[in-house]
Amino acid sequence: DQQVKQNSPSLSVQEGRISILNCDYTNSMFDYFLWYKKYPAEGPTFLISISSIKDKNEDGRFTVFLNKSAKHLSLHIVPSQPGDSAVYFCAASEGYGGSQGNLIFGKGTKLSVKP
Amino acid sequence: DGGITQSPKYLFRKEGQNVTLSCEQNLNHDAMYWYRQDPGQGLRLIYYSQIVNDFQKGDIAEGYSVSREKKESFPLTVTSAQKNPTAFYLCASRDLGGTEAFFGQGTRLTVV
Repeated sequence: DQQVKQNSPSLSVQEGRISILNCDYTNSMFDYFLWYKKYPAEGPTFLISISSIKDKNEDGRFTVFLNKSAKHLSLHIVPSQPGDSAVYFCAASEGYGGSQGNLIFGKGTKLSVKP
Repeated sequence: DGGITQSPKYLFRKEGQNVTLSCEQNLNHDAMYWYRQDPGQGLRLIYYSQIVNDFQKGDIAEGYSVSREKKESFPLTVTSAQKNPTAFYLCASRDLGGTEAFFGQGTRLTVV
């Protein structure tokens, strides 16, 4: 059973508009969440993270929101740029700093930003 | 430059042969991971290691083996027992006191 779910395989957005990528999780022990960006044939690169003691974390155009009661997080990209086109993975772990180990990934959402 | 290096980038294997994928990191990270990516499947954990000479199975360990003789190195062997070895393999490392994992550039394995 999937512990981290990204239910939208793809998302298409116009340049300059907001992109909202969603992620749901089932394991209530998860307390650290990350977003990665991945281009084809490359390794994922870290984008932004949030711990369970926060409900929002912002870094430039990227903001991650966490709703613990709903077990839901989202990544907002504002404004979206064509270079943001990539696959975005949501990941979660138990224990800050990986003391409980592993990052569990969702299946990814392919974002296409059209000029 | 600190980083994590996977080699080779592309690898072809004949059916029935074992093959070893290399992963080296100079970030002094304790934990290392192997993931497999298939289209529409996201990243699935094969094996992980949090300390030298110790490793644990992930969700899809069957047909794979690893070793962790040095902190810097975590090679993955894809054995002939792996039914569907053609995939994109990603190695990652993470500081146990840190946050995000850092990934290598991946190895595309194709069985011919």
